[in-house]
Amino acid sequence: AQTVTQSQPEMSVQEAETVTLSCTYDTSESDYYLFWYKQPPSRQMILVIRQEAYKQQNATENRFSVNFQKAAKSFSLKISDSQLGDAAMYFCALTSGNTPLVFGKGTRLSVIA
Amino acid sequence: DTGVSQDPRHKITKRGQNVTFRCDPISEHNRLYWYRQTLGQGPEFLTYFQNEAQLEKSRLLSDRFSAERPKGSFSTLEIQRTEQGDSAMYLCASSFFTGATNEKLFFGSGTQLSVL
Repeated sequence: AQTVTQSQPEMSVQEAETVTLSCTYDTSESDYYLFWYKQPPSRQMILVIRQEAYKQQNATENRFSVNFQKAAKSFSLKISDSQLGDAAMYFCALTSGNTPLVFGKGTRLSVIA
Repeated sequence: DTGVSQDPRHKITKRGQNVTFRCDPISEHNRLYWYRQTLGQGPEFLTYFQNEAQLEKSRLLSDRFSAERPKGSFSTLEIQRTEQGDSAMYLCASSFFTGATNEKLFFGSGTQLSVL
């Protein structure tokens, strides 16, 4: 079974500062993909960033980057220069083989002006 | 707008009634997923289709739940004899699956179900 654990139910960050959201996972597969999704109050899940497990280089998308530690099964999301629009629920998710995405419980991020 | 659309956005029903939700995926997408999300939890997988074939159903999907995707286009999720525990947001997602496992899912805004 695959599991995803997000140990921070809530986080807050000052506008323009940097915040890191944690995620750990478990899978017995060697080939898998990890994702971070954002869910704003509009409820629509939006893909933020994704990482292929076979790639050693950490993925980056503008102000968003990940710290992928394969041996530790850790996949944290770093948001730089935080903006008010970044306030949302963030979900870490995992898929391997041909399995549907498995999500963590989420971290609610507040951005303080 | 060519995104994933779900209808209705909100549904309030009485316990024991049947409800049906609809999802229209992005037109060229061959895979369609249903997830359920309760308060404070991440989405939980229910079922998915590739074209018109239902490929997998979660243990969460009791006999009261049925999903269809006729002609491989839109999909419906029906819940019979609703229970209060069915209250949740039902999310639909679609993707264009080519065989790689890093398919990108596009989500709709969900249908919020409240069972009184």
